[in-house]
Amino acid sequence: AQSVTQLGSHVSVSEGALVLLRCNYSSSVPPYLFWYVQYPNQGLQLLLKYTSAATLVKGINGFEAEFKKSETSFHLTKPSAHMSDAAEYFCAVSDNNQGGKLIFGQGTELSVKP
Amino acid sequence: NAGVTQTPKFQVLKTGQSMTLQCAQDMNHNSMYWYRQDPGMGLRLIYYSASEGTTDKGEVPNGYNVSRLNKREFSLRLESAAPSQTSVYFCASSERSQEPNTQYFGPGTRLTVL
Repeated sequence: AQSVTQLGSHVSVSEGALVLLRCNYSSSVPPYLFWYVQYPNQGLQLLLKYTSAATLVKGINGFEAEFKKSETSFHLTKPSAHMSDAAEYFCAVSDNNQGGKLIFGQGTELSVKP
Repeated sequence: NAGVTQTPKFQVLKTGQSMTLQCAQDMNHNSMYWYRQDPGMGLRLIYYSASEGTTDKGEVPNGYNVSRLNKREFSLRLESAAPSQTSVYFCASSERSQEPNTQYFGPGTRLTVL
């Protein structure tokens, strides 16, 4: 069975600092991996997705993630945090053989201090 | 192009009452999903519909029923609401012919059961 673990339910950084949100996955088949962002009182918005075309994936708003098969990880990074990045971030895994269902991690809430 | 829409945005029910959450998408997607979001638990799949005319249980289907009314609409019904069903409910849709199967989310329905 597939699963996702996000390390740290809450991460706090200063504006301008590096953002690193951790995600580890478990999958018996090559996975598709996603990062979604949820701003307060809104739905989920796709940040980026890994499709096996490239291990380093660039997304919206300056975020990127690197797929590391040996570490079963898909960590999300951004070189310089902005106040507008404060939100909850979800990592998810899917294999299209299961009807496209997504398995989500528990979420990481990112706070950005001025 | 509204994407995925959900009604109502907010709802308060008393234990034992019933209600139906409505979801519609205008992206001509084949697959639709219902999730619930609870603090610290990420999103959990309640039911999904891989295509018009089919529905399947997800991780937490107990206490819910669904109807795929047509390709656009997928409703979620609580027959006898319980306080444990207090949650935020999200509908999503995707096009299975695309790889990976990227899901697009609605804004959510915030349900409180007293």
